[in-house]
Amino acid sequence: KNQVEQSPQSLIILEGKNCTLQCNYTVSPFSNLRWYKQDTGRGPVSLTIMTFSENTKSNGRYTATLDADTKQSSLHITASQLSDSASYICVVSETSYDKVIFGPGTSLSVIP
Amino acid sequence: NAGVMQNPRHLVRRRGQEARLRCSPMKGHSHVYWYRQLPEEGLKFMVYLQKENIIDESGMPKERFSAEFPKEGPSILRIQQVVRGDSAAYFCASSPGGTGGIEQYFGPGTRLTVT
Repeated sequence: KNQVEQSPQSLIILEGKNCTLQCNYTVSPFSNLRWYKQDTGRGPVSLTIMTFSENTKSNGRYTATLDADTKQSSLHITASQLSDSASYICVVSETSYDKVIFGPGTSLSVIP
Repeated sequence: NAGVMQNPRHLVRRRGQEARLRCSPMKGHSHVYWYRQLPEEGLKFMVYLQKENIIDESGMPKERFSAEFPKEGPSILRIQQVVRGDSAAYFCASSPGGTGGIEQYFGPGTRLTVT
């Protein structure tokens, strides 16, 4: 069964600290993996998207890595800000037309 | 270029009524996706449409739910005879498709409450 798992379920960090979120997937075939940020009450916003051949991709303070062999991805956030408080969702696409499977998300709280 | 628009943002229906959710994709996007997010759960794929065609509806319940994306106008997700379990946030996303790319852009969602 195609699944996307994320850890930790929730995380609290101090403002200015770094953190890393994990994503494991069993989706096959694999087309691409994305990380989304979802603020409470809003739609997800794309942070990064990586295809099979890409190992890492950055977007400002966000850096995503992908190991397609072990089917693992991580999202590293540096110098966290209060506005980073949100749910971070790992999403894997299994088809060329982009049918996607969402992970349950990691709820990040950045506190002063 | 306006983003993906959804309306209404909030919708309250009594059990047995019909709910109609609208999604206007970004300009130039011909692919629309609908997702459902139940309380405390992740988003789940429902249906993928291109103009006038349903490409994949494998995530949509077989009964009471239907979707369309006409040649003109917004995409519509219709839920007939709503039940309490239909209460959720419904998100629409659009993408250019083809050589335009696969990146999906999400709307703000419609929060459906069935009383």
